Amino acid sequence: EAQVTQNPRYLITVTGKKLTVTCSQNMNHEYMSWYRQDPGLGLRQIYYSMNVEVTDKGDVPEGYKVSRKEKRNFPLILESPSPNQTSLYFCASRGLGRGELFFGEGSRLTVL
Amino acid sequence: QQQVKQSPQSLIVQKGGISIINCAYENTAFDYFPWYQQFPGKGPALLIAIRPDVSEKKEGRFTISFNKSAKQFSLHIMDSQPGDSATYFCAASRSGGATNKLIFGTGTLLAVQP
Repeated sequence: EAQVTQNPRYLITVTGKKLTVTCSQNMNHEYMSWYRQDPGLGLRQIYYSMNVEVTDKGDVPEGYKVSRKEKRNFPLILESPSPNQTSLYFCASRGLGRGELFFGEGSRLTVL
Repeated sequence: QQQVKQSPQSLIVQKGGISIINCAYENTAFDYFPWYQQFPGKGPALLIAIRPDVSEKKEGRFTISFNKSAKQFSLHIMDSQPGDSATYFCAASRSGGATNKLIFGTGTLLAVQP
């Protein structure tokens, strides 16, 4: 089954404790991206990657890091989480061009 | 100029009624307009999409109406059902860019009452 898998789905952490949200896709997609979803703000892009070792900032990259060492994986790293990073995070992927964007089921993060 | 403005923020419709969600954009270079549907606890999924060479696209009970001169497009859900209750996002992108980045609207929470 074609899918984007995120882990963990739910996480409560404290300010400053580094965490990683993993994302993996099994569709051989070149393009991967991270979004955060907040009430009234919709989906905002954090980082994206066009291919292995090629990453770039989206609209709200502050406080986040990413890496793309393998085509299928695109982890999101919060080096020092803060309460304003409490949000619902989605990883997404698609092939090159403008095909359908496939989303994971989301990771709800709470930073205390 | 990169924004996509979506309204209303929330919508309550009776079963069998018509749900209408509107979006407006500024960037005339946008040429791809998808709608994504998101159920609680799930990620958004592509519902229907349109390109500006047509004014309307219909798939089952879902129709996109596109008005290029007004820079507006809307989603119509005919015979709305409780199973349509979800959050709907409009989006837009333009060809020719390096990433074909999708710009999303802020979402509309639709509740269809039985």
